[in-house]
Amino acid sequence: EAQVTQNPRYLITVTGKKLTVTCSQNMNHEYMSWYRQDPGLGLRQIYYSMNVEVTDKGDVPEGYKVSRKEKRNFPLILESPSPNQTSLYFCASSFGDSDEQYFGPGTRLTVT
Amino acid sequence: GESVGLHLPTLSVQEGDNSIINCAYSNSASDYFIWYKQESGKGPQFIIDIRSNMDKRQGQRVTVLLNKTVKHLSLQIAATQPGDSAVYFCAETDTGTASKLTFGTGTRLQVTL
Repeated sequence: EAQVTQNPRYLITVTGKKLTVTCSQNMNHEYMSWYRQDPGLGLRQIYYSMNVEVTDKGDVPEGYKVSRKEKRNFPLILESPSPNQTSLYFCASSFGDSDEQYFGPGTRLTVT
Repeated sequence: GESVGLHLPTLSVQEGDNSIINCAYSNSASDYFIWYKQESGKGPQFIIDIRSNMDKRQGQRVTVLLNKTVKHLSLQIAATQPGDSAVYFCAETDTGTASKLTFGTGTRLQVTL
């Protein structure tokens, strides 16, 4: 089944404890992206990647890192999480940046 | 499941009726628009898109209308079904691609039996 998977789905952590949210797609997509979704603000793009080893900042990249060492994986790294990064995170992928994006199921992150 | 928003505008529609969900955008340079559906506990799902050189596009039971003069986008769902219950939001970009989308906050569609 073609899909985008994210792990973990739910995470509660403390301020400053490094964490990684994984994202994997099995559709051989070149384009991948991370978003956060907050009430009243809509989805906002954090980082995106056009292909392996090619990443770029979105609208809200501060406090986040990404890497794209393999085509199928696009992990989101929070080196020192803070409470304002409490949010619902979505990974998405598509063949290219002009194509339909497929979203993962989301990761609910709470930073205390 | 994950919730999208606490105080979204809500549209209640009876099963079988047509639904119209509206979206206003502010960037007059926007040239590509997408409608998404988000069910409770799931990620957004692409419904239909439209480029600025068109004013109407139809899919299966859905139609998107674009009025560039007043910067308004609408999604029409014909013969609304219980499975259409979800949050719907629009996204826009002036890059012509999906790489730099600005998303709206959404409208909750409730289908009553």
